[in-house]
Amino acid sequence: DGGITQSPKYLFRKEGQNVTLSCEQNLNHDAMYWYRQDPGQGLRLIYYSQIVNDFQKGDIAEGYSVSREKKESFPLTVTSAQKNPTAFYLCASSPGKAEKLFFGSGTQLSVL
Amino acid sequence: AQSVTQLGSHVSVSEGALVLLRCNYSSSVPPYLFWYVQYPNQGLQLLLKYTSAATLVKGINGFEAEFKKSETSFHLTKPSAHMSDAAEYFCAVSMDTGRRALTFGSGTRLQVQP
Repeated sequence: DGGITQSPKYLFRKEGQNVTLSCEQNLNHDAMYWYRQDPGQGLRLIYYSQIVNDFQKGDIAEGYSVSREKKESFPLTVTSAQKNPTAFYLCASSPGKAEKLFFGSGTQLSVL
Repeated sequence: AQSVTQLGSHVSVSEGALVLLRCNYSSSVPPYLFWYVQYPNQGLQLLLKYTSAATLVKGINGFEAEFKKSETSFHLTKPSAHMSDAAEYFCAVSMDTGRRALTFGSGTRLQVQP
């Protein structure tokens, strides 16, 4: 089945630790996105990538980093500089322009 | 800059009643507008989208939305609520002239009472 796979489903971070969230898609989509979801705040864009080896900051990129070395993969690293990382993280992809996004099932990140 | 405002973080209706979820947008370019639905602990699914064709857009599960330029609105409706409609609903707009990403509203949680 085609789709977007996020892993792990739950992740715990210790103080000062970097953690990486995985996002893989087999839809052959060019564009991929990372959103952060906090209760009552909707989704906020962290980073997005329109093409391999290129990505742009979204509204809340500070404390996060990404890479896009392969078309199907767009991992997100939550660095120790992100002081409030507890949130639900959603990865999405689209064929090109952001006219229909396909979402993964999310990763819940919590701080120990 | 583009943005969306969803009025009402929680809406409660009785089963069989009309569902109305409100969304207003601001956009410096002709907007593309979307409604997504999220069930607990899941990602989002597209309900419907407006991309400058017909102003009344029909989506999945009996939902529809009407684009009203004069009111800068894109409200979501369903004539008769079903228990399975209980979820969180997000309005979204294309973020820039290149339509490279979406900006989402803060969401409205719909409760359906038996």
